[in-house]
Amino acid sequence: EDQVTQSPEALRLQEGESSSLNCSYTVSGLRGLFWYRQDPGKGPEFLFTLYSAGEEKEKERLKATLTKKESFLHITAPKPEDSATYLCAVQPYQAGTALIFGKGTTLSVSS
Amino acid sequence: SQTIHQWPATLVQPVGSPLSLECTVEGTSNPNLYWYRQAAGRGLQLLFYSVGIGQISSEVPQNLSASRPQDRQFILSSKKLLLSDSGFYLCAWSVIGYGYTFGSGTRLTVV
Repeated sequence: EDQVTQSPEALRLQEGESSSLNCSYTVSGLRGLFWYRQDPGKGPEFLFTLYSAGEEKEKERLKATLTKKESFLHITAPKPEDSATYLCAVQPYQAGTALIFGKGTTLSVSS
Repeated sequence: SQTIHQWPATLVQPVGSPLSLECTVEGTSNPNLYWYRQAAGRGLQLLFYSVGIGQISSEVPQNLSASRPQDRQFILSSKKLLLSDSGFYLCAWSVIGYGYTFGSGTRLTVV
């Protein structure tokens, strides 16, 4: 069964304190791995798509990496505005299938 | 540019009442369309997806149904709401070569 597990469930950081969020997955053929940011009461906002092991993508203070079994979202010197829930999702390599999401990591950054 | 509209933003409905949530997409043709539900502590759960007009796939047997009467319109319905139908409902679309884009969501509370 295709599955996505995110850890930790919640993470509290001080402003400037770098850390990483983990997304481990099992899937019968990976078409793509997605990271989203979700603010309370809003729809998820797209951050990155990764397609193959070894791939990395960066956006401001965020960097996403991918291996054959997991992905990391590295947050460098976070600011309070980075506080949100970060969702990881995989798309199995089958036509017409939707994304399978993890439960997310809720990040709180205090100043 | 592509946009997705979802309404209403919030809805409070009594148990046993009907439901109709609508989602429309602009700026693209023949998108894949999805309905997800997000409940506290459970992450995003895929409810329905559609690859074309009149083509609906159900992922989870339940009290809900979906229809796609036009290429860029996706409707989520129920004849009689249950308390367990409460949640945050999200519509999303995708086309080959683009990521998945989510609407702003509908917060449904069944009382």
